[in-house]
Amino acid sequence: GAVVSQHPSRVICKSGTSVKIECRSLDFQATTMFWYRQFPKQSLMLMATSNEGSKATYEQGVEKDKFLINHASLTLSTLTVTSAHPEDSSFYICSASADGYYEQYFGPGTRLTVT
Amino acid sequence: AQTVTQSQPEMSVQEAETVTLSCTYDTSESDYYLFWYKQPPSRQMILVIRQEAYKQQNATENRFSVNFQKAAKSFSLKISDSQLGDAAMYFCAYRTYSGAGSYQLTFGKGTKLSVIP
Repeated sequence: GAVVSQHPSRVICKSGTSVKIECRSLDFQATTMFWYRQFPKQSLMLMATSNEGSKATYEQGVEKDKFLINHASLTLSTLTVTSAHPEDSSFYICSASADGYYEQYFGPGTRLTVT
Repeated sequence: AQTVTQSQPEMSVQEAETVTLSCTYDTSESDYYLFWYKQPPSRQMILVIRQEAYKQQNATENRFSVNFQKAAKSFSLKISDSQLGDAAMYFCAYRTYSGAGSYQLTFGKGTKLSVIP
């Protein structure tokens, strides 16, 4: 149990376009979802926390207008990178928690390449 | 703010031997959770072990165990009988309350473990 999926696993987009990444909890209801960014050979950096039905809470330094997060249902959260630039190229990982308290279950990640 | 420090960027161990990965953290809280996660080349984060700070007994999960020293704010991971499949990045993480009823994880920089056949 406790499976989290991400789609797509890899995406290449042109500079200036927008790209959407989906995060789904497949066998549980996720009241809280988290979005992380991981640069090569570095750790996971939390970008934002989203609770179902409310606005996401962004970490300091993360542009909320650039990284749009929607958590419209208890099983789906989306991250949209707007007007992507090459510096946005990274590995994006989501995680989901059933109650925001105990366990975070991680998705397999999405590699974004902006050309 | 809580910080998590992993002082060993890379470690190696012979297959079937034991290795210990170090982690220290800084906090003013008295009740918290600590975790070790494994990230293999597939990049999928896998929970290895968790420790509740209020429990004095060290957590164990099969070949994985921790040495939790609360006063020293140290949380090391011991891997016994190392296997080739243990090769991965290992991240130590601290869970902190972020407000609005949710908790967030703060990760260390990671330790890359290589297993030598």
